[in-house]
Amino acid sequence: DAGVTQSPTHLIKTRGQQVTLRCSPKSGHDTVSWYQQALGQGPQFIFQYYEEEERQRGNFPDRFSGHQFPNYSSELNVNALLLGDSALYLCASSGGLAGGETQYFGPGTRLLVL
Amino acid sequence: GQSLEQPSEVTAVEGAIVQINCTYQTSGFYGLSWYQQHDGGAPTFLSYNALDGLEETGRFSSFLSRSDSYGYLLLQELQMKDSASYFCAVDSGGYQKVTFGTGTKLQVIP
Repeated sequence: DAGVTQSPTHLIKTRGQQVTLRCSPKSGHDTVSWYQQALGQGPQFIFQYYEEEERQRGNFPDRFSGHQFPNYSSELNVNALLLGDSALYLCASSGGLAGGETQYFGPGTRLLVL
Repeated sequence: GQSLEQPSEVTAVEGAIVQINCTYQTSGFYGLSWYQQHDGGAPTFLSYNALDGLEETGRFSSFLSRSDSYGYLLLQELQMKDSASYFCAVDSGGYQKVTFGTGTKLQVIP
């Protein structure tokens, strides 16, 4: 049973560029949440997708957008990258028969903006 | 606003017991979770408390007092592999709108 997978593992971009990160949830899960984790900090909630719609959103600008596909996989898009967007981006899945309160995290995508 | 407070660092001896506290102030509350994160790794779910009291899972236990907006994670029989960062997280908006604390870095020494 594959866990949560994310791609790519590492990414280097320059300011102003756009980036797309991908996530496949754990088998049986239907909900995907995205987090940003700066070095030495806790993960910050970006948004959550369920049934292909954004269900909850944290305090992030509209430059951060996402999508969920019918197979429950998800993308996180960040436009007009800033240096401050450099972080580890984590995807977490939950739901289905597993119950809602347990989130399973993927290994993350480490984004560096130069 | 939402805020969670945890000690930034804790050091404990192998085989001992350590308690990591978390106090929270959130606009809503559904439950308190604990996660472990090793350097360079992803957070791993440890426990979830929705009701007051103690939940035990092997060497780890978690406690919640909703009236005090307080919880703790108790690690017993510490092992070197327990050296990691531990985060408390509050589910405050339903549908897991989760706010994480800044984390407690636990160092286990021989």
